[in-house]
Amino acid sequence: GAVVSQHPSWVICKSGTSVKIECRSLDFQATTMFWYRQFPKQSLMLMATSNEGSKATYEQGVEKDKFLINHASLTLSTLTVTSAHPEDSSFYICSARVRLAGGKDTQYFGPGTRLTVL
Amino acid sequence: GNSVTQMEGPVTLSEEAFLTINCTYTATGYPSLFWYVQYPGEGLQLLLKATKADDKGSNKGFEATYRKETTSFHLEKGSVQVSDSAVYFCALSRTDKLIFGTGTRLQVFP
Repeated sequence: GAVVSQHPSWVICKSGTSVKIECRSLDFQATTMFWYRQFPKQSLMLMATSNEGSKATYEQGVEKDKFLINHASLTLSTLTVTSAHPEDSSFYICSARVRLAGGKDTQYFGPGTRLTVL
Repeated sequence: GNSVTQMEGPVTLSEEAFLTINCTYTATGYPSLFWYVQYPGEGLQLLLKATKADDKGSNKGFEATYRKETTSFHLEKGSVQVSDSAVYFCALSRTDKLIFGTGTRLQVFP
């Protein structure tokens, strides 16, 4: 199946710094990528939908100025957590949507990035 | 609103035991339903799906039937293996957005 990678797999940073997480589709092009956040023992929560060449669409309650999303190419989307604080510590997961024959589509998920803010 | 509720884990079973992981949903209209599996260190993978009432999704010995009358999509497998140990997520989709349950960790011991 299609492969989606994330980098880094884990990161520790100091409060107030910014962290960039990359999401790449390795063997296919994705016009749409999604960013999720997962707290311990909770479900994945959709943060935003990232469309190549246009602004991301954020879910209600997600601060777009704090979580900057860039989708500059058909194989790369980045999530930048700006001025990170300990409450931003979480597991961030991306997915890339592939449109299949017949108009159906599916999402392929990255392995996730563990962010810890000290 | 749309939501998914699945049983808390962990579910601990011996090899060859029967597995059921319960999942119920709340949604407007007619969502598509999914089960995703996440093996340690890997991303979520689609396990099976069903797009309309009474559809049965199946894959790798796992099955789930879309029950509209009970708004459920329970995951079953007749005989689990150690290699099935993972976290299983139930999800629904009304448009292109997925709404996930909290995940259920399955631990299978030899």
